[in-house]
Amino acid sequence: AQTVTQSQPEMSVQEAETVTLSCTYDTSESNYYLFWYKQPPSRQMILVIRQEAYKQQNATENRFSVNFQKAAKSFSLKISDSQLGDTAMYFCASSSGTYKYIFGTGTRLKVLA
Amino acid sequence: DTGVSQDPRHKITKRGQNVTFRCDPISEHNRLYWYRQTLGQGPEFLTYFQNEAQLEKSRLLSDRFSAERPKGSFSTLEIQRTEQGDSAMYLCATLPGEANTEAFFGQGTRLTVV
Repeated sequence: AQTVTQSQPEMSVQEAETVTLSCTYDTSESNYYLFWYKQPPSRQMILVIRQEAYKQQNATENRFSVNFQKAAKSFSLKISDSQLGDTAMYFCASSSGTYKYIFGTGTRLKVLA
Repeated sequence: DTGVSQDPRHKITKRGQNVTFRCDPISEHNRLYWYRQTLGQGPEFLTYFQNEAQLEKSRLLSDRFSAERPKGSFSTLEIQRTEQGDSAMYLCATLPGEANTEAFFGQGTRLTVV
């Protein structure tokens, strides 16, 4: 069975600063994918960034990057130059096989002006 | 067709009543998933369709829950004899196909059972 753990229920960061959200996972699958999704208040979830487990290179998307440590089963998200619009719930998720997602409990991020 | 559409957005029902939610996927997305999200938790998988075939159901999906996807297009999720514990956000997500792993989510249906 797959599990995803997010140990930071809430975090805050000053605008323009950098913040890192933590995620650990467990899976017995050899081929899997990892994701960070953002859920703004009262809006649908949108993909922030994804990582294929077979790729060693860490994924980056503009201000968002991940630190993927496969042996440690760790998948953290770094947000650089934080913006007010980054305020949201952030969910770490894994998928494999049928591509159903296993989500963590989320981290509520607040960006302060 | 700009995204996954869910209807209604909010539903308040009395305990014991039946409710039905609808999800309209992005065109040509053949994989459709239902999730349930309770307050302070991440979404939990309920069931999965590939086209019209329901291929997987979670143990969370009691016999009061049923889902359908006739003709592989829209999907419905019905809850019979609702209980207060069914209060949650019900999310629909779709994927375009085998090679694409990014799920597109609807805005969800928030169910409140009173």
